[in-house]
Amino acid sequence: DVKVTQSSRYLVKRTGEKVFLECVQDMDHENMFWYRQDPGLGLRLIYFSYDVKMKEKGDIPEGYSVSREKKERFSLILESASTNQTSMYLCASSFYGRGTLRLHEQYFGPGTRLTVT
Amino acid sequence: DAKTTQPNSMESNEEEPVHLPCNHSTISGTDYIHWYRQLPSQGPEYVIHGLTSNVNNRMASLAIAEDRKSSTLILHRATLRDAAVYYCIRFNSGGSNYKLTFGKGTLLTVNP
Repeated sequence: DVKVTQSSRYLVKRTGEKVFLECVQDMDHENMFWYRQDPGLGLRLIYFSYDVKMKEKGDIPEGYSVSREKKERFSLILESASTNQTSMYLCASSFYGRGTLRLHEQYFGPGTRLTVT
Repeated sequence: DAKTTQPNSMESNEEEPVHLPCNHSTISGTDYIHWYRQLPSQGPEYVIHGLTSNVNNRMASLAIAEDRKSSTLILHRATLRDAAVYYCIRFNSGGSNYKLTFGKGTLLTVNP
């Protein structure tokens, strides 16, 4: 079974702190993603990576950065946390995929609920 | 970006079939339809996907209209564990072939 794990289920940080959210997958997937989920807004893509050291901005990258030094690990960084970054953060991974699109299925972690006070 | 339209919420009774609709009137020829669902306090999980013809798997069936402007996810016998938010997503296998755009989805309530 594919496993996507996130470093914390719940996190409380203060405004201005630097925050690291870690995600690890064990299926040798090329693609990894970070989303945030807010009531009424659904899931929104922050950043994604299709290879080690490669990254692309999603729909709402402002205030975030990412790091992918190893294939299995994708980190989301909040350089200076703000209260409007209080949210549920979801990590996902998938194969890059050629041929059958079943390979594009995204596997999600359980999420990290971040509260910035 | 690619858009789909779903009802905000639907209700069903346990052990009855559920038909969850999705409109995607501007779909292009290379767009697939993917469905994900999100159970309470969990990350989303893949349900099914299709292009033109109807698809079945152990979780659900997907019926795609002949003009591909709409589709329906069918849960043949709803259980309480099927209560979730269901997302219908257009997925293009071209250019950015790894990006899913989630809308707001349909909240399915299953009554015992």
